[in-house]
Formats: sequence, C-alpha cells, structure tokens
Amino acid sequence: GQQVMQIPQYQHVQEGEDFTTYCNSSTTLSNIQWYKQRPGGHPVFLIQLVKSGEVKKQKRLTFQFGEAKKNSSLHITATQTTDVGTYFCAGSGFSGGYNKLIFGAGTRLAVHP
Amino acid sequence: EAGVAQSPRYKIIEKRQSVAFWCNPISGHATLYWYQQILGQGPKLLIQFQNNGVVDDSQLPKDRFSAERLKGVDSTLKIQPAKLEDSAVYLCASSLVRTSTDTQYFGPGTRLTVL
Repeated sequence: GQQVMQIPQYQHVQEGEDFTTYCNSSTTLSNIQWYKQRPGGHPVFLIQLVKSGEVKKQKRLTFQFGEAKKNSSLHITATQTTDVGTYFCAGSGFSGGYNKLIFGAGTRLAVHP
Repeated sequence: EAGVAQSPRYKIIEKRQSVAFWCNPISGHATLYWYQQILGQGPKLLIQFQNNGVVDDSQLPKDRFSAERLKGVDSTLKIQPAKLEDSAVYLCASSLVRTSTDTQYFGPGTRLTVL
C-alpha cells in the first residue's frame, strides 16, 4: 500500500545540538511537504520540495529531497526550545488523488535547555 | 486573511451516539479536506472535496461516517454511530486549487473523545 515511513519516532536533544528526521516512501513521489505541529496545535506548512535532489534552507532548517524522489530529510542546526514539536513529512503523487497527501507518523522533538 | 475555522473544538460523547463537526475553509479555497489524527500518528485523509464534489473518499468508513459540502464552501463531517476507536482529532484543511504542489492550510481541529 501507499506508505510514508518516518524515523525516528522521538528525539530528545539538548539545546544547541543538531536534529535530523528522515522520511521514506514506498513509491516515487511527485513532491514532498514538511509540516510542524506544536503540542496541542495543528499542522503548519513549512516547505515543499518538488525536484529530484532539491535542497532548501529556512534559517536553521535544511530540507533535502532524494535523487530518486523516494526519501527526504529535515535537519535543524543548533536546536532551540522553540523548535519543540512534531515534524511530519507528507508525500504527494500517489494514485487515487491528484493532491492526496500521505503523512508519515511524525518525529516528536523535545529540546532541553 | 482568516484561517480555516472549525467547531466545536472539543466534544465528548458516548459510544453509539452521533456527532457532527463543522468546517469553514479559507475564503476562495476550492479544495477541502477532512483528516483524522489519532494520538501519536500523522493525519490520515478521510475525504477530499473539490468545490462541492467528492474527489477522494477511499478511506472514509462509509458505514458510519458521512460528509457533505453542499454549496462548495462550508463542510460538515458526521459520525453515526460513534465507536471507541473514533477518538481522535478531526482536522479540516483547505487549499486554493487541487494540484499536487498546492499548500494545505489546517484548521485547529476538533478533539473527539468517545467513552
């Protein structure tokens, strides 16, 4: 079936340490989106990657899309307490829905000061 | 620009009761989505509307769940009768158009507890 796997499930870091979450799809994606969900909140769009091998940066966040368009990663440099939340990747381009997003289970990030 | 509105924010019901959720998407957004997010999991798409037509409802448990978007704007999602496993946050999202590169904007969600 259509699946997006995300690891790790949970990451616990000290403030200032780096953090990376990885996303893998069972099939080739047309694009991948990343969302952040704060505790008790709703998913908020961060970025979208469309091209094979694409790399995008947002301040301390670096997003990559694999050459085969089946995997992606989000790297946060020097984490801050404001980075706390769950990071979801969501793949698009699966059959059965032109804009259907399949979400990974998320990586929950805890940052200790 | 106002975001996606949802109500109620919280609902507690007993199993076998009925419940309905309401969503008002961002003005002008043609596509509306309902997701179910069980604790500790990512959102799972239940149904997707393009204007007032259903695009994808392949993961909607149609024996108990129904949804409509009669005038192509607001939408309601109903569960009848509810089961314990329906306890989750129900998220509504909208996007401007229905392309694979369009951003989805999520509402605050309705947290449903079924006892």
